[in-house]
Amino acid sequence: GAVVSQHPSWVICKSGTSVKIECRSLDFQATTMFWYRQFPKQSLMLMATSNEGSKATYEQGVEKDKFLINHASLTLSTLTVTSAHPEDSSFYICSAGGASGATDTQYFGPGTRLTVL
Amino acid sequence: SQKIEQNSEALNIQEGKTATLTCNYTNYSPAYLQWYRQDPGRGPVFLLLIRENEKEKRKERLKVTFDTTLKQSLFHITASQPADSATYLCALELGGGNKLTFGTGTQLKVEL
Repeated sequence: GAVVSQHPSWVICKSGTSVKIECRSLDFQATTMFWYRQFPKQSLMLMATSNEGSKATYEQGVEKDKFLINHASLTLSTLTVTSAHPEDSSFYICSAGGASGATDTQYFGPGTRLTVL
Repeated sequence: SQKIEQNSEALNIQEGKTATLTCNYTNYSPAYLQWYRQDPGRGPVFLLLIRENEKEKRKERLKVTFDTTLKQSLFHITASQPADSATYLCALELGGGNKLTFGTGTQLKVEL
């Protein structure tokens, strides 16, 4: 149980285009979903927290107009990187909390590798 | 601001030995602390959660301790195997809302 999927697993796009990444909790309803970014040899950095049906809360320094988050249902959250630039190239990982009613444990997706040319 | 430190250098041990990884933090203590395993190019996998009122927690070959006085958690893998080779991350719940702050991770390599 507690499986989280992400799609796509990797994407290459041209500078200036937008990319959408999906995060799904497959066997539980996620009360909260989190989006992280991880650069090579670095740890995960929380970008934003989203709850179903409400606006996402962004961490300091994360541009909400650039990283659009939609949490339309208890099993799906999407992150759209708008007008992507090479510096946005990174490993984007989502997580979901709420499996078995436990809000303090996050289950992570496999990540999406974004490369912006 | 809260700082989380893990052994920055890779840890190499022999198969069968016990691996011990350290996570130190500054400032205030979190309500709970978690350990995750991350393989290259993959998302973290949850291993154990320990709360501030717990001293120790075990799961199969894994053991975690939490010392709020020392502001430290130790993560042990007994009878280590090459398949245990990975990066291990500690994460602290800070700021409420179950938001996690991660350490930089320690890379463990178990050799035959």
